[in-house]
Amino acid sequence: EPEVTQTPSHQVTQMGQEVILRCVPISNHLYFYWYRQILGQKVEFLVSFYNNEISEKSEIFDDQFSVERPDGSNFTLKIRSTKLEDSAMYFCASSDASGTYEQYFGPGTRLTVT
Amino acid sequence: LAKTTQPISMDSYEGQEVNITCSHNNIATNDYITWYQQFPSQGPRFIIQGYKTKVTNEVASLFIPADRKSSTLSLPRVSLSDTAVYYCLVGLMEYGNKLVFGAGTILRVKS
Repeated sequence: EPEVTQTPSHQVTQMGQEVILRCVPISNHLYFYWYRQILGQKVEFLVSFYNNEISEKSEIFDDQFSVERPDGSNFTLKIRSTKLEDSAMYFCASSDASGTYEQYFGPGTRLTVT
Repeated sequence: LAKTTQPISMDSYEGQEVNITCSHNNIATNDYITWYQQFPSQGPRFIIQGYKTKVTNEVASLFIPADRKSSTLSLPRVSLSDTAVYYCLVGLMEYGNKLVFGAGTILRVKS
């Protein structure tokens, strides 16, 4: 069964540093998303991406965040200058344009900002 | 987006049927009801989706009464591995739409 993959599984960085979280969505999917989940809290939507541009973004997704699909397979989330409160699990998801509107989530990247 | 209310937690034993009810009094005409499951340290996983009456797949059943103001996820014969958080999501389902998660229901299955 096809799956979304994410790297790294755990990233530790210092406050103020830039991080790039990488995702490989399912190959025939057209819609891509990033969500995050702070430990013990709800899963929160960050951004959706379609046709090489952002479709929607949340209030969390400020100027410090950016997304990119640099090639036909990868989808990245960049945080320019990390803050302590960016520590969370970041999930990438993808979906296609048929069926049940199901979104397929990756295993997540745990980001720890020290 | 319709507000949803679910129990915070439920306990069950292996082999039992578990029913988790979600209230969504202000569901809109075009809204769908979707359930996701999340294991610790993993991404959410789609379980089932429906609009009205009953939907069944290999994992669960979803019961939606005629007024659609609530829905019940039914998990037949749960096992220890069904211990997870279950989320009820209600909203207009269009391709590319964001998912809005609530706090979910923590289901603990005991032996």
